[in-house]
Amino acid sequence: EVQLVQSGGGLVQPGGSLRLSCAASEFTFSSDWVHWVRQPPGKGLAWVSRINVDGTYTAYADSVKGRFTISRDNARNTLYLQMNSLRAEDTAVYYCAGFGSGWLDSYWGQGTLVTVSS
Amino acid sequence: DVVMTQSPLSLPVTLGQPASISCRSSQSLVYSDGNTFLHWFQQRAGQSPRRLIYKVSNRDSGVPDRFSGSGSGTDFTLKISRVEADDVGVYYCMQGTHWPYTFGQGTKLEIK
Repeated sequence: EVQLVQSGGGLVQPGGSLRLSCAASEFTFSSDWVHWVRQPPGKGLAWVSRINVDGTYTAYADSVKGRFTISRDNARNTLYLQMNSLRAEDTAVYYCAGFGSGWLDSYWGQGTLVTVSS
Repeated sequence: DVVMTQSPLSLPVTLGQPASISCRSSQSLVYSDGNTFLHWFQQRAGQSPRRLIYKVSNRDSGVPDRFSGSGSGTDFTLKISRVEADDVGVYYCMQGTHWPYTFGQGTKLEIK
């Protein structure tokens, strides 16, 4: 079973930047599309971004397009989310997640809180 | 974006009684390959989401058979045959057919 360990959250001022990391326990991670999902405090879940197996395809929610960049390093079994020009409405718990080929699996990180505030 | 609408949003249930959550999508979730990427997640307080059902009706490993999913096209249902205390949490439907993937608003299940 793949385990994902996240790091990199914290408090940042509006307009600032932060990079989230998500390290996988197994090499099978490098065979899966992987995703970032976020959840504002007390609210529901929202997809942020996804990336294909070799990192050549990425997609973003409109709310983060042009500000966030998803990337991966398969040699290190690690997923990243670079977040720039952060806004108060980006405050949320961010989860990394993978679902295996054909959505046959489901594994999530423990979540990391990003707070954007002055 | 595909809008996922769940009902009810709050679901008080007596222990041992059944529960049902409806999820409707604003457009068909049938993908070009014939699959329907409608999934159900459970989120307990302070925890990461856990998937219960994938592709409408398939239970994930370790999920009790009290949980079942059904539906097609734009209309889906999650059923719990006998609610246990451990089932308390928020349940989300989610579509993975159209990008951006989207979740329903969530249904909060509590014990009456």
